[in-house]
Amino acid sequence: DAGVTQSPTHLIKTRGQHVTLRCSPISGHKSVSWYQQVLGQGPQFIFQYYEKEERGRGNFPDRFSARQFPNYSSELNVNALLLGDSALYLCASSLASGSSLQFFGPGTRLTVL
Amino acid sequence: GESVGLHLPTLSVQEGDNSIINCAYSNSASDYFIWYKQESGKGPQFIIDIRSNMDKRQGQRVTVLLNKTVKHLSLQIAATQPGDSAVYFCAENGAEYGNKLVFGAGTILRVKS
Repeated sequence: DAGVTQSPTHLIKTRGQHVTLRCSPISGHKSVSWYQQVLGQGPQFIFQYYEKEERGRGNFPDRFSARQFPNYSSELNVNALLLGDSALYLCASSLASGSSLQFFGPGTRLTVL
Repeated sequence: GESVGLHLPTLSVQEGDNSIINCAYSNSASDYFIWYKQESGKGPQFIIDIRSNMDKRQGQRVTVLLNKTVKHLSLQIAATQPGDSAVYFCAENGAEYGNKLVFGAGTILRVKS
């Protein structure tokens, strides 16, 4: 069975540009969460979507947005990129929202120059 | 505030020995805890989880202990192998955190052959 998949694997952008990251959850999972992991730290929560609705938002600026599609895949968009946005962006899927086990994808490594 | 902390940032053990990784959490209302293993360049991999109505749970070569009195979580790895070398994160979830997992900074486990 396929796990959580993310694309692209790596991405290099320059300051001011925007980026779209994609995630496909495990088959049967309806919830997708996004996390940002800066080098040397634990993942920080950005968003959670369940059944195409936002169910949680972390302490990130409005430059960060996301959406979930009818097939439960998800996109994370970041506008007006800053150097500090360089990080590993992780997608996690779970059966439902709330206190449930989340399985992570391999991540997208974003470098902002 | 939100805080899941680890006592030891780096742990070095001899192959074949047992490893114990500790984690202190600050939110007494958290009711779900997960241990993840993250290898270099990969996403976090689920190891074992435990709910607050339990104090011990065993998996294959791993045991998680939960002490709610002192808000302490530990991961025990039996007969540590070189493949266990990675960064280990504990994460907590609960009603106060909504739908997000709150991660600690991580502990580096190095296994010496």
